[in-house]
Amino acid sequence: AQSVTQLGSHVSVSEGALVLLRCNYSSSVPPYLFWYVQYPNQGLQLLLKYTSAATLVKGINGFEAEFKKSETSFHLTKPSAHMSDAAEYFCAVSGDSYDKVIFGPGTSLSVIP
Amino acid sequence: NAGVTQTPKFQVLKTGQSMTLQCAQDMNHEYMSWYRQDPGMGLRLIHYSVGAGITDQGEVPNGYNVSRSTTEDFPLRLLSAAPSQTSVYFCASSYSGQAGAYEQYFGPGTRLTVT
Repeated sequence: AQSVTQLGSHVSVSEGALVLLRCNYSSSVPPYLFWYVQYPNQGLQLLLKYTSAATLVKGINGFEAEFKKSETSFHLTKPSAHMSDAAEYFCAVSGDSYDKVIFGPGTSLSVIP
Repeated sequence: NAGVTQTPKFQVLKTGQSMTLQCAQDMNHEYMSWYRQDPGMGLRLIHYSVGAGITDQGEVPNGYNVSRSTTEDFPLRLLSAAPSQTSVYFCASSYSGQAGAYEQYFGPGTRLTVT
């Protein structure tokens, strides 16, 4: 069975500081991993995805994530936070069938001016 | 492309009422799903479809029905609304470009309150 955990339901960073949002997964098959962002009162949109090519994945808005199989992690980072990054972030894992897409509980990111 | 559209954006129901949440996509995606989002619980899969005429239950299907008569449309029906169904509902579509890599495209959501 697959699962996703996100450490920290809420993270606050200062504007210009490093953003680090943590995601750990478990999967019985080689995983595909995703990060989605949800701005207030909107649907989710894809930030980036890992599909077994490069382990360091670059996404939109300056975000990137590194797949570490030994640590079963897929943490999301951004070198310098911007006020517009304030949103909810969801990590997701998919395996070998559509109904096996699992979302983590989400991390709410606040950016302090 | 409009992507994934959902109507209505907001809805208030009384306990016991029924209603249908509409979802449509114009990307010719074969896969569609309905999720509910509740605080601290992420997204939970209600029902999903892997093609026109094919639907199946997800993690939390009780109290909901779906049908998929066309590739484009995937309505969600609440049979007899209960306060526990107060939530934000998202419709999503996907395709199998790379086996297992189901990138989801989400609609804007429907905020439902059951009193």
